[in-house]
Amino acid sequence: DAGITQSPRHKVTETGTPVTLRCHQTENHRYMYWYRQDPGHGLRLIHYSYGVKDTDKGEVSDGYSVSRSKTEDFLLTLESATSSQTSVYFCAISTRAWSYNEQFFGPGTRLTVL
Amino acid sequence: QQQVKQSPQSLIVQKGGIPIINCAYENTAFDYFPWYQQFPGKGPALLIAIRPDVSEKKEGRFTISFNKSAKQFSLHIMDSQPGDSATYFCAASGGSSNTGKLIFGQGTTLQVKP
Repeated sequence: DAGITQSPRHKVTETGTPVTLRCHQTENHRYMYWYRQDPGHGLRLIHYSYGVKDTDKGEVSDGYSVSRSKTEDFLLTLESATSSQTSVYFCAISTRAWSYNEQFFGPGTRLTVL
Repeated sequence: QQQVKQSPQSLIVQKGGIPIINCAYENTAFDYFPWYQQFPGKGPALLIAIRPDVSEKKEGRFTISFNKSAKQFSLHIMDSQPGDSATYFCAASGGSSNTGKLIFGQGTTLQVKP
């Protein structure tokens, strides 16, 4: 998985609790992305980062926040988890921002919100 | 205009058959069209990609056909094998606010029977 780890790999939590997912890369890639994968919806971008402390929203950012204090780490936080956030979350990295860039995906985190 | 529509949702073929997965897009500014392959429990991985200046690209048994005027592109898998059983996602990126963000289709689950 191209030097990308995600933690935890599985998590079960209760509605209303805060949750933080971590993406760690050893590739020194500048661009990092958080996606969620749901049946029938494919992969949808939550937030992305184009450098340390530089982040922006994706198409499904409501209820999520991110932080990137180091090149290698990109954190996704659910401030107050809801059942609709039950999903598989993938982190991805890439070397370039423009088109033709290959994104490398991590192994995913399966999150269940009860 | 940002959507990428993918069909079919699922596909079953016999070994040696030629599954075809189709995608359609609206945004004419898209200029990069990759296909990702995902095995169960893994993150997606780039399979093959095409730019709109060519109508076809072939890599091994995988071929992308691209129709710019119809705003459609498709993936063909020649001589399919049971090991090709996976979920396939088309995607697109590009445009004036190009940040390398990929817009994914809904995914197609392919089963190749022995």
